[in-house]
Amino acid sequence: GQNIDQPTEMTATEGAIVQINCTYQTSGFNGLFWYQQHAGEAPTFLSYNVLDGLEEKGRFSSFLSRSKGYSYLLLKELQMKDSASYLCAAMDSNYQLIWGAGTKLIIKP
Amino acid sequence: GAVVSQHPSWVICKSGTSVKIECRSLDFQATTMFWYRQFPKQSLMLMATSNEGSKATYEQGVEKDKFLINHASLTLSTLTVTSAHPEDSSFYICSARDTTSGDTGELFFGEGSRLTVL
Repeated sequence: GQNIDQPTEMTATEGAIVQINCTYQTSGFNGLFWYQQHAGEAPTFLSYNVLDGLEEKGRFSSFLSRSKGYSYLLLKELQMKDSASYLCAAMDSNYQLIWGAGTKLIIKP
Repeated sequence: GAVVSQHPSWVICKSGTSVKIECRSLDFQATTMFWYRQFPKQSLMLMATSNEGSKATYEQGVEKDKFLINHASLTLSTLTVTSAHPEDSSFYICSARDTTSGDTGELFFGEGSRLTVL
């Protein structure tokens, strides 16, 4: 079956670095997405990886290893506004997104 | 980026009534839109894929007669929750993919509609 695993909750300190991991199993693969979702709001796009390696975009970076079915989202210089849920989603061979349950990130001062 | 607008943001209705939610792509044409439901502290759950000019494709377990989807134009899809009951109370979100300018696969989400059925 198709499955996405990511931690339920993580806590980090303002100004620090945090890495949110995601493993996936899909029927075919057309890329891995990360979305940020603040409580009560719709998700917003953060990154898309389809090739192995690290994609850097400001304070956020995303990594993909297709052979391992593994991705991570790296957040640097954490700010209080980064407190949110981070959703990992993999696109299967039918271009359907398989969503993880999300990782709730709590930032402490 | 592309903009998707969803309306209404909040709706409260009595049990047994029907509620319509609109999803519009404002600056691009969307042949396909997606409708999700999200319960508190849970991830997005795809309900159906809305295809312009044809019938929607529903996910397993989603009642097509209860959740009516119409995608009559390239910029508008509607979700109607018929005979709503308290268990239908949820956060409903639509999304669309802009395939006109190089499809990156990125989904653009509407603001979401919070439905409360009394």
